[in-house]
Amino acid sequence: GDSVTQMEGPVTLSEEAFLTINCTYTATGYPSLFWYVQYPGEGLQLLLKATKADDKGSNKGFEATYRKETTSFHLEKGSVQVSDSAVYFCALSDRPFSGGYNKLIFGAGTRLAVHP
Amino acid sequence: KAGVTQTPRYLIKTRGQQVTLSCSPISGHRSVSWYQQTPGQGLQFLFEYFSETQRNKGNFPGRFSGRQFSNSRSEMNVSTLELGDSALYLCASSLGESGEKLFFGSGTQLSVL
Repeated sequence: GDSVTQMEGPVTLSEEAFLTINCTYTATGYPSLFWYVQYPGEGLQLLLKATKADDKGSNKGFEATYRKETTSFHLEKGSVQVSDSAVYFCALSDRPFSGGYNKLIFGAGTRLAVHP
Repeated sequence: KAGVTQTPRYLIKTRGQQVTLSCSPISGHRSVSWYQQTPGQGLQFLFEYFSETQRNKGNFPGRFSGRQFSNSRSEMNVSTLELGDSALYLCASSLGESGEKLFFGSGTQLSVL
């Protein structure tokens, strides 16, 4: 079945450091790919998405490119801030003909801690 | 625009009891889906409702059920609670198209003693 694998955390960085969180996926169809973020005590918020190969999603300085050839969707940010400390989830949603609708399959999550 | 509202925020039950959780979606959203979040299993899809019909279901036992009302509000029910049902239950709403953005509530933290 479809699955998402992301790098284990925690990831600890100093403010203004470069961030990469790796994410790879396995899917039989043509999935949409997402990064969601969860701040302490809150639900998930969509950070960015990409719906087809070579699409780049971006938001708040974060970027990720849908790479079909490597089945990857790595999250990057050039300069992290303390306020970016959260848990980041990579996810996929399969296409309608595969019956996916809004069923998201999540990775295990990567906790990011940014220190001043 | 009000966000997704889940009630109650916290719940404590004992083994064998049943529980009902509620979710009010964003106005105009017709799809409501439910997820279970635990430290061991992560985020797992329970089911999705669209216009009062269950459209998709995850791999959970029949003790987990749900429904959606005509105003799109949804409830999920867990019967015969087990210790392993302790989790954060998240509800998400959307317009209902595949691959679109989901809006999540803050969740209901269920503890089974």
